[in-house]
Amino acid sequence: GQNIDQPTEMTATEGAIVQINCTYQTSGFNGLFWYQQHAGEAPTFLSYNVLDGLEEKGRFSSFLSRSKGYSYLLLKELQMKDSASYLCAVRDDNQGGKLIFGQGTELSVKP
Amino acid sequence: DVKVTQSSRYLVKRTGEKVFLECVQDMDHENMFWYRQDPGLGLRLIYFSYDVKMKEKGDIPEGYSVSREKKERFSLILESASTNQTSMYLCASSVDRIETQYFGPGTRLLVL
Repeated sequence: GQNIDQPTEMTATEGAIVQINCTYQTSGFNGLFWYQQHAGEAPTFLSYNVLDGLEEKGRFSSFLSRSKGYSYLLLKELQMKDSASYLCAVRDDNQGGKLIFGQGTELSVKP
Repeated sequence: DVKVTQSSRYLVKRTGEKVFLECVQDMDHENMFWYRQDPGLGLRLIYFSYDVKMKEKGDIPEGYSVSREKKERFSLILESASTNQTSMYLCASSVDRIETQYFGPGTRLLVL
């Protein structure tokens, strides 16, 4: 089967750094995606990891360890507009390449 | 820019009505998907399509059907709407099975 876990909610301060973790168990892993979703809006793509290591994109970085079934999304220099839900999704090739989504982590950035 | 559009942002229907949700993408993507999103449950895949006139069941297809007559358009149909189908419905598309999925703005459906 498959299982994706991420914290339900987190709070951080403007200007700080926050790390959102995601653990997964899936038999046909072939890539992990992070999406950002503001309230009432569609998810927007942030990052993609398929090999172990860190992918950096401006203030956002994403890390993957396939042996540990673990990823994190790192947000630096937090801004108020970063308050959103962050969705971790895993592609499972044993299910035709479908994306399996976690429940999302609701991040609140406080002044 | 990838553009995925959905026919309505908000929709209110009555139990038993037939409901059509339309999704259109303008990037010539092969793959299209319908999800629903509910608090505490995340995004769940209803149906997807890898080509015109082709459809595959997702994780929760019961109570839904789909149609893909043209490459750019993927329709979700609720044959007889029920209150437990009140949800946010999200359409997505991708170039192929490997590439990133891009989402439309969502349709918030309320079934009374």
